[in-house]
Amino acid sequence: GAGVSQSPSNKVTEKGKDVELRCDPISGHTALYWYRQSLGQGLEFLIYFQGNSAPDKSGLPSDRFSAERTGGSVSTLTIQRTQQEDSAVYLCASSLRASPGNTIYFGEGSWLTVV
Amino acid sequence: AQRVTQPEKLLSVFKGAPVELKCNYSYSGSPELFWYVQYSRQRLQLLLRHISRESIKGFTADLNKGETSFHLKKPFAQEEDSAMYYCALSGHSGANNLFFGTGTRLTVIP
Repeated sequence: GAGVSQSPSNKVTEKGKDVELRCDPISGHTALYWYRQSLGQGLEFLIYFQGNSAPDKSGLPSDRFSAERTGGSVSTLTIQRTQQEDSAVYLCASSLRASPGNTIYFGEGSWLTVV
Repeated sequence: AQRVTQPEKLLSVFKGAPVELKCNYSYSGSPELFWYVQYSRQRLQLLLRHISRESIKGFTADLNKGETSFHLKKPFAQEEDSAMYYCALSGHSGANNLFFGTGTRLTVIP
């Protein structure tokens, strides 16, 4: 596609429910990244994929968070048993490769509100 | 561990005045540093990277390893420069994931 595409753009969910956020990277990009943007917290790195594998999961805030990527393309970020502190904008990004020097392109984000 | 600090959450300058957005970093290796910008209702996008040593939209940033800084500068601010600016560092050796500061919201007053 022309850019990184994320869905849904907005999601309101009840505390305790599970949510899935989807990211479709730029065509041909092998590296995919998830970030979280909370009010007043800046951008927090969550996880990145090179192909279908995730070499660095260190940023996932708890075991309620998981992510997968299949076919080297679309990725899904899943949050189980959502809490109010999970409310944030979840940004996906991609780059041609995961090695330094590759420009990272961001999607418009998925706004998650947990009520 | 890597850390990026942007000490100013908000910065206001008048049109035509010089602007400097501060960024300091902490990293044990040889860092690669970036400035990203997010204009109103637009996605986050790369503004410039230190290895390119380029000027984009009149902005420049010099990496000062002695002061561990990468301040963003522009001699004459324009109204269209009003946006959120994030300084970022490329962290783990061999990987490309970015670590961001908390951002500075720049407002250029007409």
